[in-house]
Amino acid sequence: DGGITQSPKYLFRKEGQNVTLSCEQNLNHDAMYWYRQDPGQGLRLIYYSQIVNDFQKGDIAEGYSVSREKKESFPLTVTSAQKNPTAFYLCASSMGGPQAFFGQGTRLTVV
Amino acid sequence: QKEVEQDPGPLSVPEGAIVSLNCTYSNSAFQYFMWYRQYSRKGPELLMYTYSSGNKEDGRFTAQVDKSSKYISLFIRDSQPSDSATYLCAISSGSARQLTFGSGTQLTVLP
Repeated sequence: DGGITQSPKYLFRKEGQNVTLSCEQNLNHDAMYWYRQDPGQGLRLIYYSQIVNDFQKGDIAEGYSVSREKKESFPLTVTSAQKNPTAFYLCASSMGGPQAFFGQGTRLTVV
Repeated sequence: QKEVEQDPGPLSVPEGAIVSLNCTYSNSAFQYFMWYRQYSRKGPELLMYTYSSGNKEDGRFTAQVDKSSKYISLFIRDSQPSDSATYLCAISSGSARQLTFGSGTQLTVLP
């Protein structure tokens, strides 16, 4: 089945720790995105990548980093510089048009 | 003023009711309109996509766009308990990179 796979589903981070969220797609989409979702707020764009080895900051990139070494993979690292990392993180991909297709999300909690 | 405004609800209706979900937007450059359905603790699922004013129907769902008023709606006929979810409007002026999401309306359909 084609789709977007995010792992893990739940992740716990200690203060001062970096954590990496995985996102893999087998839809052959060129563009991939990371969003953050907080209760009562819309999705906010963290980073996006339109081709391999290239990525751009979104609206709330501070405290996050990404890489795009393969077309299928777009991992997100939440660094210790992100002061409020507890949120639901969503990875998405698109063929280049306006429609985005989402994974099932990773819920990150700071402990 | 946010670019996209969506009534957060929550909205509770009896089974079989007609549901109306609405968003307003401020940027005339927006020309692609989507509705996503998001079940609790899951990723958003693309429900409807349209790019022109007027109505688009898909089964029990109808998406309506009025560009002159900058107003979009999603109607659900014969609502079912399985329709209980958060509905997000999403609007773009071009690619998925430019997607702007509403904050979501939480809908509960009571059996």
